[in-house]
Amino acid sequence: NAGVTQTPKFRVLKTGQSMTLLCAQDMNHEYMYWYRQDPGMGLRLIHYSVGEGTTAKGEVPDGYNVSRLKKQNFLLGLESAAPSQTSVYFCASRSTGTNYGYTFGSGTRLTVV
Amino acid sequence: KQEVTQIPAALSVPEGENLVLNCSFTDSAIYNLQWFRQDPGKGLTSLLLIQSSQREQTSGRLNASLDKSSGRSTLYIAASQPGDSATYLCALPDQAGTALIFGKGTTLSVSS
Repeated sequence: NAGVTQTPKFRVLKTGQSMTLLCAQDMNHEYMYWYRQDPGMGLRLIHYSVGEGTTAKGEVPDGYNVSRLKKQNFLLGLESAAPSQTSVYFCASRSTGTNYGYTFGSGTRLTVV
Repeated sequence: KQEVTQIPAALSVPEGENLVLNCSFTDSAIYNLQWFRQDPGKGLTSLLLIQSSQREQTSGRLNASLDKSSGRSTLYIAASQPGDSATYLCALPDQAGTALIFGKGTTLSVSS
């Protein structure tokens, strides 16, 4: 049981480059999330999805796009990377209902130079 | 808007001590509260999930309590060990119940 898998684990981008972060979960969870974690700022929600084909903005969505074409996958895209997007990115998922807990991936460390 | 505060931001204790980490929140209308552990450079590991109808949950040497009326949760760690050294995060669903709001964490260091 892999849980939540993020790829890649590390990446260095040049300013202006684009990339896609992939999150895959094998728990049949409806809800999926992308967070970023920065020193002193804690974890902040970028985008989330409440089901296949849906996406919604979180607290810090600017500069990012997402897609949920398949229930098990949630993609985070950076169209034109900026140094301010240097961060650690975490994906999470959970099932529906109130008796749920969140499962997190191991993170992607992104550096934009 | 739900706000989550964790105090202290950092804590250093000798091995064997019992300790308490604190989490406070502003909106008591919550579904549940979850405690996570994060090791340096690693992801988040779920420790305990307390439903709104529960007052506490236990797992091994860990005990988490929830007092909605006062907007507080505590994580009690018994007989601390160096392996407990990590950052502990408290998180609750937002008011819509769709996403987690995190505290900034308490970084614990247990010395041998």
